[in-house]
Amino acid sequence: EVQLVQSGAEVKKPGESLRISCKGSGYTFINYWINWVRQVPGKGLEWLGRYDPNDSYTNYSPSFEGHVTISVDKSINTAFLQWSGLKASDSAIYYCARSLKGFGYFDLWGRGTLVTVSS
Amino acid sequence: EKVMTQSPATLSVSPGERATLSCRASQSIGTNLAWYQQKPGQAPRLLIYGASTRATGLPARFSGSGSGAEFTLTISSLQSEDSAVYYCQQYDDWPPWTFGQGTRVEIK
Repeated sequence: EVQLVQSGAEVKKPGESLRISCKGSGYTFINYWINWVRQVPGKGLEWLGRYDPNDSYTNYSPSFEGHVTISVDKSINTAFLQWSGLKASDSAIYYCARSLKGFGYFDLWGRGTLVTVSS
Repeated sequence: EKVMTQSPATLSVSPGERATLSCRASQSIGTNLAWYQQKPGQAPRLLIYGASTRATGLPARFSGSGSGAEFTLTISSLQSEDSAVYYCQQYDDWPPWTFGQGTRVEIK
């Protein structure tokens, strides 16, 4: 089955670090970009950035650049989204989604990881 | 950054009737537009890309049209399972790719 499987919900305190994951299966992982999309519960969708597992090239939304880091471990077909200093405003559901290289629409989505940041 | 504006915010339609959702871009995006459906507690699902190409397995009652800055998603005969929030997204210019704020479709 073609799918993206995301890691489980996280509860963190402000200032803490976090890395969440997204494992692709059922398709050739390096042939697609991996994207991360944020959704504050009850609100809309925001694109954070994308990673090309083949050449490691990464693009970030200006709104998120410098605050999150996207990476990939090709050996385990897994992408990561990482924070080094969480803020309460980072509380949201984070989806990974794949896109065909060169295209910006997302044809396969993970089920999402809920991140809660609270003191 | 290209801003996407969807209307209306909420659409209430009777089963079997037509639902028409609009999406406007702040600048021309050609046909680099996608539509997604999101049901409560679920991830978004791709419906349409290239403004008018249906995703694999999508029922024919869903259709997309438009180019430039004005786009439409039409559900020709609304079914109960179509109750959801629908988002448009431009992928013409990046970063960032941007989404509209969503249209909630309710069954009357």
